[in-house]
Amino acid sequence: DGGITQSPKYLFRKEGQNVTLSCEQNLNHDAMYWYRQDPGQGLRLIYYSQIVNDFQKGDIAEGYSVSREKKESFPLTVTSAQKNPTAFYLCASTPPGGDTEAFFGQGTRLTVV
Amino acid sequence: AQSVTQPDIHITVSEGASLELRCNYSYGATPYLFWYVQSPGQGLQLLLKYFSGDTLVQGIKGFEAEFKRSQSSFNLRKPSVHWSDAAEYFCAVGSLGTSYGKLTFGQGTILTVHP
Repeated sequence: DGGITQSPKYLFRKEGQNVTLSCEQNLNHDAMYWYRQDPGQGLRLIYYSQIVNDFQKGDIAEGYSVSREKKESFPLTVTSAQKNPTAFYLCASTPPGGDTEAFFGQGTRLTVV
Repeated sequence: AQSVTQPDIHITVSEGASLELRCNYSYGATPYLFWYVQSPGQGLQLLLKYFSGDTLVQGIKGFEAEFKRSQSSFNLRKPSVHWSDAAEYFCAVGSLGTSYGKLTFGQGTILTVHP
């Protein structure tokens, strides 16, 4: 079945370490997105990519980095520069064309101790 | 800049009662509007969307929403709530001409359903 796979579901890291969250889709979607979710704040856009080898900053890109080497993959690295990395991270994608919605993965909960 | 406000952080209803979740948006042009639902620890599932046309939109699971441009609102309704509707609900706005997944979300409304 087609979908968006985020791994791992739970991730624990020590403070000061970089960590990479995986997002893979087999929907043949062109655009991919990373959102961060904190309780009571909804979702906020970190980065997005509309085509391979190109990406743009969202509203809260500081302390994060991404790459888009393949259409299917859009990994997110949470760097040690991110001051409060503990959160729920959601990856999404959209198909080409108009009048469509974003499809979301099941999320990765990152806890930094 | 666009913004979305969901005034109710937490709503409790009895099973079988009607439901209305409020959503107000701020956006200069014609918005694309969405309602998503999220179960704990899960991703988001689309309930319904509005791009143009009929301002009353039907979605999955018996939900509907009405776009009211004059009030900048896109409230979600359901005539009879089921226990399985307990979840967190998010209203979101996107903009014409940009990437369709580039959304601004409200803070979310947690729905509790009493038996």
